[in-house]
Amino acid sequence: DQQVKQNSPSLSVQEGRISILNCDYTNSMFDYFLWYKKYPAEGPTFLISISSIKDKNEDGRFTVFLNKSAKHLSLHIVPSQPGDSAVYFCAASAGRGGANNLFFGTGTRLTVIP
Amino acid sequence: EAGVVQSPRYKIIEKKQPVAFWCNPISGHNTLYWYLQNLGQGPELLIRYENEEAVDDSQLPKDRFSAERLKGVDSTLKIQPAELGDSAVYLCASSVDSTYEQYFGPGTRLTVT
Repeated sequence: DQQVKQNSPSLSVQEGRISILNCDYTNSMFDYFLWYKKYPAEGPTFLISISSIKDKNEDGRFTVFLNKSAKHLSLHIVPSQPGDSAVYFCAASAGRGGANNLFFGTGTRLTVIP
Repeated sequence: EAGVVQSPRYKIIEKKQPVAFWCNPISGHNTLYWYLQNLGQGPELLIRYENEEAVDDSQLPKDRFSAERLKGVDSTLKIQPAELGDSAVYLCASSVDSTYEQYFGPGTRLTVT
């Protein structure tokens, strides 16, 4: 059973506009969430994370929003750049400290059109 | 700082043959993970090591898969014998204790024919 879901397999956005990638989870024990970015033939690269005690975390052009009541998080990229074109994975875990495993979604392929 | 190194990058074998993958984590990272990624899916954990101890191998198919991390640094993942359904990308990741920032290697793409 998929505990982390990314229902949009792909998304296309014009350069300079906002990209919004969505993620839903089912396990109420999850309290730490991450986004990874993956280019072809490379491993996933950590992008940004958020703890369940927060509802927003921002890092430059990237912002992650967490809605615990809806069990939903989203990644906003503003402005989108062609170099952002990649597959984005949402991941979640129950408990910090490396003692609990990450559960990944199936990914969303973002294409930023110049 | 060097990243996670994996070899080989690509491997093609016939079914029933053995295969082994190697991973060298980032220096100083005590936690090492092996993931399996099927086409169109996210990575799924196979095994996690804390130093040389396998602390979670519940998802590792132990009838054909084995792993080791001697001296708490490099690790190998072995499949014997390989089956057609094992065709996938095998990812290695490492992290410093107490953080969730796992750093991934480029993966090994296995094709079983």
